[in-house]
Amino acid sequence: GAVVSQHPSWVICKSGTSVKIECRSLDFQATTMFWYRQFPKQSLMLMATSNEGSKATYEQGVEKDKFLINHASLTLSTLTVTSAHPEDSSFYICSARPQTYGSQYFGPGTRLLVL
Amino acid sequence: GESVGLHLPTLSVQEGDNSIINCAYSNSASDYFIWYKQESGKGPQFIIDIRSNMDKRQGQRVTVLLNKTVKHLSLQIAATQPGDSAVYFCAENKGYGQNFVFGPGTRLSVLP
Repeated sequence: GAVVSQHPSWVICKSGTSVKIECRSLDFQATTMFWYRQFPKQSLMLMATSNEGSKATYEQGVEKDKFLINHASLTLSTLTVTSAHPEDSSFYICSARPQTYGSQYFGPGTRLLVL
Repeated sequence: GESVGLHLPTLSVQEGDNSIINCAYSNSASDYFIWYKQESGKGPQFIIDIRSNMDKRQGQRVTVLLNKTVKHLSLQIAATQPGDSAVYFCAENKGYGQNFVFGPGTRLSVLP
């Protein structure tokens, strides 16, 4: 149980294009979903927290107009990297929490490479 | 983000030996902790958790110890196997509705 999927698993795009990443909780409803970014050999950096049906809460320094988050249902959240640039290349990981308090379960991650 | 790792400590152990991975957490108000394992190119995988009203919890081949006095968490892996090679993160949670804060991670390398 507690499986989270992400799609796509990797994406290569040209600079200036937008990329959408989906995060789904497959066997539970997630009241809250999280989006992280991870650079090589570093820890996870929380980008934003989203609750179904409400606006995402972004961490300090994360541009909300650059990283659009939509949490349309209790099983789906999307992250759109708008007008991607090479510095946006990273490993993006989502996680989902079934209850307001408790464990988070992570997706397999999406590797983004912007050329 | 709330946690930035500037370097990744590495622990090398011989196959079959026990491993101990340590983590110092930041907030004395944190009351829930999780250890995650992350293999290369994959998302973190839940290993074991512990609440602050406990000081020890055991799973299959893994034990988590919590010392609230010095704000220290450790993960012990018994009879370490090659498949245990990964980066291990501790995560702390300050309470109801709060987000997890992740430590910098420790890379575990299992030597044959």
